[in-house]
Amino acid sequence: DAKTTQPTSMDCAEGRAANLPCNHSTISGNEYVYWYRQIHSQGPQYIIHGLKNNETNEMASLIITEDRKSSTLILPHATLRDTAVYYCIVRVGRYNFNKFYFGSGTKLNVKP
Amino acid sequence: NAGVTQTPKFQVLKTGQSMTLQCAQDMNHNSMYWYRQDPGMGLRLIYYSASEGTTDKGEVPNGYNVSRLNKREFSLRLESAAPSQTSVYFCASSKGQLNTEAFFGQGTRLTVV
Repeated sequence: DAKTTQPTSMDCAEGRAANLPCNHSTISGNEYVYWYRQIHSQGPQYIIHGLKNNETNEMASLIITEDRKSSTLILPHATLRDTAVYYCIVRVGRYNFNKFYFGSGTKLNVKP
Repeated sequence: NAGVTQTPKFQVLKTGQSMTLQCAQDMNHNSMYWYRQDPGMGLRLIYYSASEGTTDKGEVPNGYNVSRLNKREFSLRLESAAPSQTSVYFCASSKGQLNTEAFFGQGTRLTVV
């Protein structure tokens, strides 16, 4: 099963872009990279996912390296409400028989 | 939109007591999951159900049992609660395919004394 490595914590100034890195060097060809965040002790919230192309939605952008061994989540204009733990996850398994494994995540502190 | 609903939200048990955590989803999802989260840690997968009628062990299944009652409901049972099972429990569901996201409930905070 592919595992991920993330920094324990990061700081970001309000209004600036937050770039959260993730290493997943053992990822397999059909495994997607997902990002979730958890604010306080609420249920994790889906942010974005991708296979090999860069992805963007209303919340964030996901940049995946060409060799797929690492990725970066970008929050373009961080706000105080983006303070949370961010999880990078590789979804493992077969097409209809798979599961999410969470690591320890990155605590993002957005400061005024 | 209810999404994933967990009951109860809070529970205190005495060591040795049993209880069932309930989870229901209204998104017609095939797959459902139970996770636990201990203080300061990430989520760990307890059990999952890839589709109605099937269940499989995750990373930390010992001390738990599950039932996929129907497509909507996936319950987690603690037969004899232990203090080590004090945690926050999250239920999740997804369509099941590799390129679809999972949706999480708001959690059940369980304390075993």
